Amino acid sequence: DAGVIQSPRHEVTEMGQEVTLRCKPISGHNSLFWYRQTMMRGLELLIYFNNNVPIDDSGMPEDRFSAKMPNASFSTLKIQPSEPRDSAVYFCASSENSPLHFGNGTRLTVT
Amino acid sequence: GESVGLHLPTLSVQEGDNSIINCAYSNSASDYFIWYKQESGKGPQFIIDIRSNMDKRQGQRVTVLLNKTVKHLSLQIAATQPGDSAVYFCAENVGSYIPTFGRGTSLIVHP
Repeated sequence: DAGVIQSPRHEVTEMGQEVTLRCKPISGHNSLFWYRQTMMRGLELLIYFNNNVPIDDSGMPEDRFSAKMPNASFSTLKIQPSEPRDSAVYFCASSENSPLHFGNGTRLTVT
Repeated sequence: GESVGLHLPTLSVQEGDNSIINCAYSNSASDYFIWYKQESGKGPQFIIDIRSNMDKRQGQRVTVLLNKTVKHLSLQIAATQPGDSAVYFCAENVGSYIPTFGRGTSLIVHP
């Protein structure tokens, strides 16, 4: 199994631009999670899906953030418009009633 | 809300020594605990877990101890190797596999 696959690995964009982060979970996993990691706040849960349905998005910072899971093998996290304070590493993770399996993250830099 | 915290942000050890990483948790309802290892440029990886009905669990070179009386969790690594250098996170769960992460401890292994 290739594990959880995230793209891109790095993203540098200017303030105000739209950013889309992508995730392919492990096949067969029914839950998908988006986390954000910063030095100041550590790992923060943004949103999680169960069977492609968003269950809890209370961690999404504000309306500029949105996440979708159109099918069991793909999810996106979109930031529009992006701001410098969104700079962080964004992780996707999946699980099947088990400890989470994380991707290697997308490092986002907003200038 | 309640949170998971760590006593030591950085731990330096000599190769071959045993390492002990500590974690305090405050949610007495937590019933499942996990240790993750995060190497530079990668996502967190599952190391070992323990349920609240146990006080000790052993893996390969790692042991997790749980003291529910004082709400304390520790990860012991035997014969620490340079490849063990990473950030270690404890995470607590309440009735689910959705972890709340602590801030992490950086383990540095000197050859």
